[in-house]
Amino acid sequence: DVVMTQSPLSLPVTLGQPASISCTSSQSLVSSDGNTYLHWFQQRPGQSPRRLIYKVSNRDSGVPDRISGSGSGTDFTLKISRVEAEDVGVYYCIQGAHWPLTFGQGTRLEIK
Amino acid sequence: DVQLVESGGGLVQPGGSLRLSCAASGFSFSTYWMSWVRQVPGKGLEWVANIKQDGSETSYVDSVKGRFTISRDNGKNSLFLQMNSLRADDTAIYYCARGVSLAYWGQGTLVTVSS
Repeated sequence: DVVMTQSPLSLPVTLGQPASISCTSSQSLVSSDGNTYLHWFQQRPGQSPRRLIYKVSNRDSGVPDRISGSGSGTDFTLKISRVEAEDVGVYYCIQGAHWPLTFGQGTRLEIK
Repeated sequence: DVQLVESGGGLVQPGGSLRLSCAASGFSFSTYWMSWVRQVPGKGLEWVANIKQDGSETSYVDSVKGRFTISRDNGKNSLFLQMNSLRADDTAIYYCARGVSLAYWGQGTLVTVSS
């Protein structure tokens, strides 16, 4: 199975400051169709997960443009340019290029 | 709006069975793969199974193969997960999600396996 490794696992951030989460896969996530199947999810306290970014860098509807995704091959990054209180929660990356689908361990973002 | 509403969770003894349901609305259900994902409360996410639009293809995580069966009824816009031979480590919140990229999620239903 593809192992997804996130860092850091805990991310204390001051309001208004940037935040960055890294996700590394044990195999390339470039599929035979040329797409890279790496997605990012946010889970706010007490809520279901919500997809933020699909295929590396595409923002879902309603996701603010201060949240962005980048990367290629095996190394990916989720960035929040200015952290707001609503960003508190756990962030997960997931790969969809190989079966079974696998998630990262999660990164807990909190306000410092 | 897309809505996914899970039901059927509860307390079951080890070795028992449970059938989860997911009622879908707000999109053309029959045109999407559907997935089940679970989460031990307070822990991370684990993909469990998914099913193709017409039900002709299914996939499972190794830990549930031979025990869980995913199915769907496109006429009723419903997704199901039949869970047999349940074990304590199947205790989790079970979410249904749309597609293989999990674009939308339900609120989840809690399954507790305990004697």
